[in-house]
Amino acid sequence: GAVVSQHPSRVICKSGTSVKIECRSLDFQATTMFWYRQFPKQSLMLMATSNEGSKATYEQGVEKDKFLINHASLTLSTLTVTSAHPEDSSFYICSAPHPLQTYGYTFGSGTRLTVV
Amino acid sequence: KQEVTQIPAALSVPEGENLVLNCSFTDSAIYNLQWFRQDPGKGLTSLLLIQSSQREQTSGRLNASLDKSSGRSTLYIAASQPGDSATYLCAVQGGHSGAGSYQLTFGKGTKLSVIP
Repeated sequence: GAVVSQHPSRVICKSGTSVKIECRSLDFQATTMFWYRQFPKQSLMLMATSNEGSKATYEQGVEKDKFLINHASLTLSTLTVTSAHPEDSSFYICSAPHPLQTYGYTFGSGTRLTVV
Repeated sequence: KQEVTQIPAALSVPEGENLVLNCSFTDSAIYNLQWFRQDPGKGLTSLLLIQSSQREQTSGRLNASLDKSSGRSTLYIAASQPGDSATYLCAVQGGHSGAGSYQLTFGKGTKLSVIP
């Protein structure tokens, strides 16, 4: 239970285009979704926190106009990387508080983005 | 700002050995510490969660300890198996430095290889 489905798992796009990543909570309602980015051999870094029905909160140094987050329903949060550049190539992963485990989290399977 | 360090960055052991992974954090005002497992290109699987008031948690062959005052945690894996090969991430939740109650700060991980 408490599954977060993330798609796509891999995507290659051309520089200057936009890419949308989706995270769906399949068997629970996720009022909050965390979006992380992980560069090779680096730790997961929190990019932003989305809350259903309100604006996302971005971490310092993350461009909100470049990384558009939408959390329009209790089961879907999306991250759109706009005007992607090679330096945006990274592993993006979403996470929601686990509905049954205090302080627990459930993670999506991640999206490997390569911008060429 | 909370910082989490994991040592070693990589570890290779023969099957059957017991091993210890180390994690340290700079801000001891945490709510809890969590250990995750990450398989290549995939999401995270929660292994153990230790509340700030606890000293250790056990699950099967895994035992995690927490010394909050010294900012340290260890993950002990007994009788290692090839299936244990993965990257192990340590994350702390909370801290004085303005982190929200849900925010996790991750280490870079320890890549474990168990050789058959």
